[in-house]
Amino acid sequence: GAGVSQSPRYKVAKRGQDVALRCDPISGHVSLFWYQQALGQGPEFLTYFQNEAQLDKSGLPSDRFFAERPEGSVSTLKIQRTQQEDSAVYLCASSLVSLRRLYNEQFFGPGTRLTVL
Amino acid sequence: QQQVKQSPQSLIVQKGGISIINCAYENTAFDYFPWYQQFPGKGPALLIAIRPDVSEKKEGRFTISFNKSAKQFSLHIMDSQPGDSATYFCAALYSGPGGTSYGKLTFGQGTILTVHP
Repeated sequence: GAGVSQSPRYKVAKRGQDVALRCDPISGHVSLFWYQQALGQGPEFLTYFQNEAQLDKSGLPSDRFFAERPEGSVSTLKIQRTQQEDSAVYLCASSLVSLRRLYNEQFFGPGTRLTVL
Repeated sequence: QQQVKQSPQSLIVQKGGISIINCAYENTAFDYFPWYQQFPGKGPALLIAIRPDVSEKKEGRFTISFNKSAKQFSLHIMDSQPGDSATYFCAALYSGPGGTSYGKLTFGQGTILTVHP
């Protein structure tokens, strides 16, 4: 079966442009996460969806960042009026929902590298 | 606030040697500690993980050592191979009461491992 896929793999935007990054999670995975990975750093949590519900958006750095998952599968991370500091790799991960003590592994996609000029 | 601190930033070992990467955490509520391996252009992939009720976990050439009182954990790679050359991230999460948390990961800054033939 296919893993998590993300598109585009690379995106170059001029400062001030809006961008949309897509994530296709593993089929049947209820949980979906977005992380931001700056160059030379570890991923940082942005937001979490359980099905179509956005349960945690505490990591979104500003109101220019918006994420949605309207049908509980594909998710889109949108960044409005991009700034140079938004340049990073944006990672999507999915997992089975966990209602027990056992942690369900997060499977990461390859990421979208966003460069804002 | 850096909740998980990782060292060293980079590490060079010879083939057959032992690679050791260390992490320290601050939040005593963390109760699950995974290590991720990331190759260039790929997303992180789970390598091995430990819960704080054990002091050591071994899977093949990879071992996690955990020191709850010191709030530290480390990854040991025995008989390091050139194919192990990658970036390694430690991470931590709080699984919530009765495992109800969805799995928001906090990552360290990463260690670039290079294994020379």
